[in-house]
Amino acid sequence: EADIYQTPRYLVIGTGKKITLECSQTMGHDKMYWYQQDPGMELHLIHYSYGVNSTEKGDLSSESTVSRIRTEHFPLTLESARPSHTSQYLCASSGLRGGEQYFGPGTRLTVT
Amino acid sequence: GENVEQHPSTLSVQEGDSAVIKCTYSDSASNYFPWYKQELGKRPQLIIDIRSNVGEKKDQRIAVTLNKTAKHFSLHITETQPEDSAVYFCAASSNTNAGKSTFGDGTTLTVKP
Repeated sequence: EADIYQTPRYLVIGTGKKITLECSQTMGHDKMYWYQQDPGMELHLIHYSYGVNSTEKGDLSSESTVSRIRTEHFPLTLESARPSHTSQYLCASSGLRGGEQYFGPGTRLTVT
Repeated sequence: GENVEQHPSTLSVQEGDSAVIKCTYSDSASNYFPWYKQELGKRPQLIIDIRSNVGEKKDQRIAVTLNKTAKHFSLHITETQPEDSAVYFCAASSNTNAGKSTFGDGTTLTVKP
């Protein structure tokens, strides 16, 4: 079944660690997005991609980086995690026409 | 860029009553307006959407209306049920943004049994 997958679902790490949050989709979508969201709060776009080798920064300043080497894969990397990075990270994708975004289940990150 | 404002931020209704959430947008080029529902601990999911070539769309108990002139659109939920309790997000996007949506800040709807 076509879906969006995120791993890990939960992660607790210490300050200064490097981490990569994985996102993969089997929807066949060109566009992918990363959002940061505190529980029940607004969605903040931090990165997006229109396709392979295309990445753009979103509206929220972030100390993370992304890559898009394959259509189905859009990992997000934090080079040096800080307590201020504690949040939920949601990955999403949308089709060629744009429009509806399909969200992954999220990664809940805690930095101690 | 696009700016989307959503009101109210919280809404509490009795079961069976109607609920209305309103959004305004700033970019006249926006032509796609989805609504997402996010239940506690779950991912946002599309519940209804409307494109700029129509003024209203209904799906059972939910409906969306769009006023392009005034640049606002609304979500209407009739005969609310406790399972409608969730956070609702509106969004706006245009072909020029190639799918990048600007989201409202969300409305927490509580339906009291």
